[in-house]
Amino acid sequence: SAVISQKPSRDICQRGTSLTIQCQVDSQVTMMFWYRQQPGQSLTLIATANQGSEATYESGFVIDKFPISRPNLTFSTLTVSNMSPEDSSIYLCSVSVTGYGYTFGSGTRLTVV
Amino acid sequence: KNEVEQSPQNLTAQEGEFITINCSYSVGISALHWLQQHPGGGIVSLFMLSSGKKKHGRLIATINIQEKHSSLHITASHPRDSAVYICAGGNSGGSNYKLTFGKGTLLTVNP
Repeated sequence: SAVISQKPSRDICQRGTSLTIQCQVDSQVTMMFWYRQQPGQSLTLIATANQGSEATYESGFVIDKFPISRPNLTFSTLTVSNMSPEDSSIYLCSVSVTGYGYTFGSGTRLTVV
Repeated sequence: KNEVEQSPQNLTAQEGEFITINCSYSVGISALHWLQQHPGGGIVSLFMLSSGKKKHGRLIATINIQEKHSSLHITASHPRDSAVYICAGGNSGGSNYKLTFGKGTLLTVNP
């Protein structure tokens, strides 16, 4: 199955700033998924990132707040823009590989102060 | 709308005990994933199953399609098994489907 390297693992950021999270996959995958896990909550899908096209966002998430890049089949970034304390969460990227299920990144624990 | 319900929400066990975590899901879900999340936040995929039973080491996952129910069992539990266990449902047709996640079961195994 695929292996994902996600960076940074954690960060503490000032409100109003932005943070870019990177995910590097060791094989080519068509779609990458970005999730948010707020404290005490289950994972929520933010968007699906397809190489060469704009990401597809789920209800409640917008591109201005969570811009995503997908420059090639092995890499994607998620930016959390103009952060507020409500953005404090764990952010995870994921890919699915036919026959192997899902592989997740190690997560980025974000705290906004 | 796909839904996934997990129980119990919290589970404390003594080392060596047999553990069972349950997951019920709604119509529209044809594949069930069991995931393990450690305190740092990273998630490891344990199983993906759409029928029958799978075993990996001390972990066993079963699914009953008619009853729309899946269980994760841990035999001879150990403190290193302490983590959040999450079941997630999706559709097995194709590799690019969305998952619906349960809220997780926090397992604590005491020595």
